[in-house]
Amino acid sequence: GAVVSQHPSRVICKSGTSVKIECRSLDFQATTMFWYRQFPKQSLMLMATSNEGSKATYEQGVEKDKFLINHASLTLSTLTVTSAHPEDSSFYICSARGGRGRETQYFGPGTRLLVL
Amino acid sequence: DQQVKQNSPSLSVQEGRISILNCDYTNSMFDYFLWYKKYPAEGPTFLISISSIKDKNEDGRFTVFLNKSAKHLSLHIVPSQPGDSAVYFCAASATDSWGKLQFGAGTQVVVTP
Repeated sequence: GAVVSQHPSRVICKSGTSVKIECRSLDFQATTMFWYRQFPKQSLMLMATSNEGSKATYEQGVEKDKFLINHASLTLSTLTVTSAHPEDSSFYICSARGGRGRETQYFGPGTRLLVL
Repeated sequence: DQQVKQNSPSLSVQEGRISILNCDYTNSMFDYFLWYKKYPAEGPTFLISISSIKDKNEDGRFTVFLNKSAKHLSLHIVPSQPGDSAVYFCAASATDSWGKLQFGAGTQVVVTP
């Protein structure tokens, strides 16, 4: 299957700081990448859809000024959590669309964010 | 509003037996369905998918069945192995949704020796 990486795998930061998470498709070009977050024992919630070279599309209730998404190339999308607060602590997962199948998304390993 | 539902939060099955996971959906525009497996603190791993033009798709030990009239799909794993113990998510997308996936809440599968 296709490989998607995320960096960092976990980050601890102080409240008020910004954190950048990178998502890379390693062996295919991804015109579309998605960002999800998952709270403990809950399902994955889509935050935004990121298309290469255009602005991200955010889901209802997701603050676009707080969660900045940049999809600068066909293999890289970044999510920046600005002025992070403890309630932003979560597991953030990206996915990239590509490989076999029309709609198959391949997921990164996730980033655990803890805001103190 | 949960458009994809997995009503069984957990399933315990004996090694070697069949695991059957169920998923229901409410949006009739969904036309592509996927199953993912997830371990704690890891991203989901794609298992198998099915298009709405089919009613069955098989890949090794995994078979997905789709009943469009009932808006129901199921994943069969046979034979179940200890390494199959994980959370399984059902996901669905619609043609006009730019690939957005709606996920179910997941089913925790435990395969016992």
